[in-house]
Amino acid sequence: QKEVEQNSGPLSVPEGAIASLNCTYSDRGSQSFFWYRQYSGKSPELIMFIYSNGDKEDGRFTAQLNKASQYVSLLIRDSQPSDSATYLCAVIRTSYDKVIFGPGTSLSVIP
Amino acid sequence: NAGVTQTPKFQVLKTGQSMTLQCAQDMNHNSMYWYRQDPGMGLRLIYYSASEGTTDKGEVPNGYNVSRLNKREFSLRLESAAPSQTSVYFCASRAAGRTYEQYFGPGTRLTVT
Repeated sequence: QKEVEQNSGPLSVPEGAIASLNCTYSDRGSQSFFWYRQYSGKSPELIMFIYSNGDKEDGRFTAQLNKASQYVSLLIRDSQPSDSATYLCAVIRTSYDKVIFGPGTSLSVIP
Repeated sequence: NAGVTQTPKFQVLKTGQSMTLQCAQDMNHNSMYWYRQDPGMGLRLIYYSASEGTTDKGEVPNGYNVSRLNKREFSLRLESAAPSQTSVYFCASRAAGRTYEQYFGPGTRLTVT
């Protein structure tokens, strides 16, 4: 079992819809969870992070964490074509140093 | 403030050749990382360094060595390159603590023929 898994893509949503991206992790000692966006040929860039159970909102983005289910998600409201990218889930282990990424989900927002 | 820099940006090697990828950060971060990215595989951790003088294996360390030369620099060495090491390599750094994000360099695209 991989340490971090994400829902397989590609995911296509129409412009203005809600995109839902999911991530599960295997290490119950994981402390913090990050969502990065990566455009083709570019480096990953941070969207947001979460470390407490529940929801965290930042503009059009909402991260949700459920440690009991070992599940973290990212919702993108009012999706725009500029949101088309690969979304990477990253998990920080107990030591706060080791950072493991999932395989990524490719999102395409159709105008 | 350059952030995280990597050299070279592109490299072509023949099987069996060696090379060192260089990474430097100017943000005074304690932790530094090397990842490789292959199509559909996300970022896979090769090695990381939690502080100057320490290094630890990640998910895919075989065929690589690293050196944390000082707080700023973290190099990745391929002693005998293989075609399976064809990939895009990213270096990253972050401050200590659970809320701090990683900052990534621009990547090195390596092809081994």
